Amino acid sequence: GAGVSQSPSNKVTEKGKDVELRCDPISGHTALYWYRQRLGQGLEFLIYFQGNSAPDKSGLPSDRFSAERTGESVSTLTIQRTQQEDSAVYLCASSLMWGDYNEQFFGPGTRLTVL
Amino acid sequence: AQSVSQHNHHVILSEAASLELGCNYSYGGTVNLFWYVQYPGQHLQLLLKYFSGDPLVKGIKGFEAEFIKSKFSFNLRKPSVQWSDTAEYFCAVTGGSYIPTFGRGTSLIVHP
Repeated sequence: GAGVSQSPSNKVTEKGKDVELRCDPISGHTALYWYRQRLGQGLEFLIYFQGNSAPDKSGLPSDRFSAERTGESVSTLTIQRTQQEDSAVYLCASSLMWGDYNEQFFGPGTRLTVL
Repeated sequence: AQSVSQHNHHVILSEAASLELGCNYSYGGTVNLFWYVQYPGQHLQLLLKYFSGDPLVKGIKGFEAEFIKSKFSFNLRKPSVQWSDTAEYFCAVTGGSYIPTFGRGTSLIVHP
């Protein structure tokens, strides 16, 4: 079956503009994660969705970042008033169910460049 | 908050050399441990994982990792690397939370 997909694959934007990144998880996966990976760094957790429960937003770095997910489907990560330090690869992952032993399946990422 | 340390950021080996990549974590309770790999141009994918039982875990492509609780370590090993093992390797830990903490990653280059 299809894996996790993300769009766009690359996004170049000007400082101050808003951007929206999209993630399509694997069908049937109830858990969805967003991560940020800056150059030479590890994966930085941003937000976690589990089914219809309230998302865990504890990793969002500022109120310029927000994310939505409708049920167990597509998720969008929005960054408002982008800054140069937002430049990074944004990764989405999904897993079959919640639980800290579940394997995550990653998408290819969106490379965001803020000029 | 838990942390994960990968001590080797860049490793360069020749084919057939043995590999060991270090991973140490800080959480003192029950943990689940993962190694993920990202081959050039590909997605991150699971290499192997440990959540209970035999502390020596075998994964894909001849990789294995050993969980040593007393050392808070989960080092990745392969007896003989191949050029195709060139990739970025990430250690991840969940403990007390369903949100994994990832290490910074180790870039492995294998020369033919």
